[in-house]
Amino acid sequence: QVQLQESGPGLVKPSGTLSLTCAVSGDSVSGTQWWSWVRQPPGKGLEWIGEIYHSESPNYNPSLRSRVTMSLDKSTNQFSLKLSSVTAADTAVYYCARNTDYAMDFWGQGTTVTVSS
Amino acid sequence: EIVLTQSPGTLSLSPGERVTLSCRASQSVSSSYLAWYQQKPGQAPRRLIYGASSRATGIPDRFSGSGSGTDFTLTISRLEPEDFAVYYCQQYGSSPPVYTFGQGTKLEIK
Repeated sequence: QVQLQESGPGLVKPSGTLSLTCAVSGDSVSGTQWWSWVRQPPGKGLEWIGEIYHSESPNYNPSLRSRVTMSLDKSTNQFSLKLSSVTAADTAVYYCARNTDYAMDFWGQGTTVTVSS
Repeated sequence: EIVLTQSPGTLSLSPGERVTLSCRASQSVSSSYLAWYQQKPGQAPRRLIYGASSRATGIPDRFSGSGSGTDFTLTISRLEPEDFAVYYCQQYGSSPPVYTFGQGTKLEIK
């Protein structure tokens, strides 16, 4: 069974950089799937942040592209998200997920990140 | 950028009823690229339908998806108590690669 687990600081200061990692088990991040980050502000809907594949350039949501960097570590079977210049609007639950058939079939449980001083 | 509009925003129904949720796209979407998710409070979304009409593994057959072009629907043939949740549609656009979600439909118990 594929499992994903997000980790990272739950509190980030405004103008700082949000950094999260997703640990994958039951599949390989260097396999045939793309891997995504999705976020959900409190009480709101889902927003796709971007996706990464081991042998291609990442794809990012155009609305966040200037602030997002995603990377992948084959040795630890993890992938990561960095979001710079954060504001309160970036406060959300952040999910990592596996992409299959142009959808996301396995999701992490989510991690809450609050942007506040 | 393709925008997905879901309707209604909230639906109040009783267990045992049949429900159809709508997802309308601002431009034509390939059926292969349309998915539906269920999300319960405090939980991650769960994929129900992919490719507009294919049920994901383990999803009961009371859930069905249909549609093409700009109009897609998710039907629950007979509501069970555990089906009351928020439902999202999602599309994949290939040029450039991007995933977008609808704003969600909340299904609540009447």
